[in-house]
Amino acid sequence: GNSVTQMEGPVTLSEEAFLTINCTYTATGYPSLFWYVQYPGEGLQLLLKATKADDKGSNKGFEATYRKETTSFHLEKGSVQVSDSAVYFCALNSGGYQKVTFGIGTKLQVIP
Amino acid sequence: DTAVSQTPKYLVTQMGNDKSIKCEQNLGHDTMYWYKQDSKKFLKIMFSYNNKELIINETVPNRFSPKSPDKAHLNLHINSLELGDSAVYFCASSRNIDQPQHFGDGTRLSIL
Repeated sequence: GNSVTQMEGPVTLSEEAFLTINCTYTATGYPSLFWYVQYPGEGLQLLLKATKADDKGSNKGFEATYRKETTSFHLEKGSVQVSDSAVYFCALNSGGYQKVTFGIGTKLQVIP
Repeated sequence: DTAVSQTPKYLVTQMGNDKSIKCEQNLGHDTMYWYKQDSKKFLKIMFSYNNKELIINETVPNRFSPKSPDKAHLNLHINSLELGDSAVYFCASSRNIDQPQHFGDGTRLSIL
């Protein structure tokens, strides 16, 4: 079956530091890949997505590249802000009537 | 103009009671979901409906019964509540099964 592996947190960074949250996956076929963000007390929101190999998703300064050869979709941001403190979920969808598979979530805390 | 709204936001009740959580989406989406998120933020899908038809039914106790009166609504009824049911329950919707999901803000269920 499908699976998503992402680093366990929490990750604590100082403001303006570089962020990487690793995500690797196993799936049949050619899945679509997503990053969702969950701010405290809220539901998940789509942050970015990529639907085929070598696609780069980007939003709000975050980026992730769909790497089929390494089955990875690592999330990066060049300079984090306190307002980026949240839980980040990597997810994949292999299409059809398959459920979306979510990773365990990585909590990011950015300190001033 | 909330896209996915669920009520109530908080639900505190005693073991053995029966309760319902309502969800409505005004996005015109065909697919709706219920998720359970535990205290460690692990997200587990429970059910998914597409055009009022049940398409995903994970291993969930039959005390949990979803009902979709129309494709804009997906309610969750829980019988004989147990301590282990304490969690945050999220409703979500998507245009169809392989599109990004929009989440509500969650219902925090606490069993005394």
